[in-house]
Amino acid sequence: NAGVTQTPKFQVLKTGQSMTLQCAQDMNHNSMYWYRQDPGMGLRLIYYSASEGTTDKGEVPNGYNVSRLNKREFSLRLESAAPSQTSVYFCASREPHSAANSPLHFGNGTRLTVT
Amino acid sequence: AQSVTQLGSHVSVSEGALVLLRCNYSSSVPPYLFWYVQYPNQGLQLLLKYTTGATLVKGINGFEAEFKKSETSFHLTKPSAHMSDAAEYFCAVSNNAGNMLTFGGGTRLMVKP
Repeated sequence: NAGVTQTPKFQVLKTGQSMTLQCAQDMNHNSMYWYRQDPGMGLRLIYYSASEGTTDKGEVPNGYNVSRLNKREFSLRLESAAPSQTSVYFCASREPHSAANSPLHFGNGTRLTVT
Repeated sequence: AQSVTQLGSHVSVSEGALVLLRCNYSSSVPPYLFWYVQYPNQGLQLLLKYTTGATLVKGINGFEAEFKKSETSFHLTKPSAHMSDAAEYFCAVSNNAGNMLTFGGGTRLMVKP
């Protein structure tokens, strides 16, 4: 049972380059999330998808785009990377989206450095 | 708007000592509260959660937390620390709509032999 799988695990980009972070879950969850983790700031929500075909902005969406490809996959794209986007990125899923007491299931993260 | 404050970004205890990690929240409605643990190079795992009912919540690995509405707190405790408890711990609060989970800044727990 893989849970939430993120690729790649590590990435180094130059300023202005683009890349897509991939996330897939095998738990048949409807809702999926992208967070970034920065020291001392906890996790901040970038975008989420309550169900297949829908996406919404979170707390820090600027500089990012997302695609909910199907029920399993939710990708995060950086069109023009900036040093401020150096962070650890986590994908998560849960079921159902509307249940506030439902916990998140996290992937192991992608460590991104932008030089 | 909801927020979470974790007092102490780093906490160090000796093996066998009491672990106390502090969490205070602000929320305009009765909150759902969570503690997550993150081991090195891994994602976050759920330790425990408070939804409704009993205010003392027991989680995995001997951890527990008590919801105190009057103090807007949800502190995490464990009677006796193990070396394996060394990790980063995050407190989080969920809004009623369930679409926004707000995390505190995290507390790194170090356990000395």
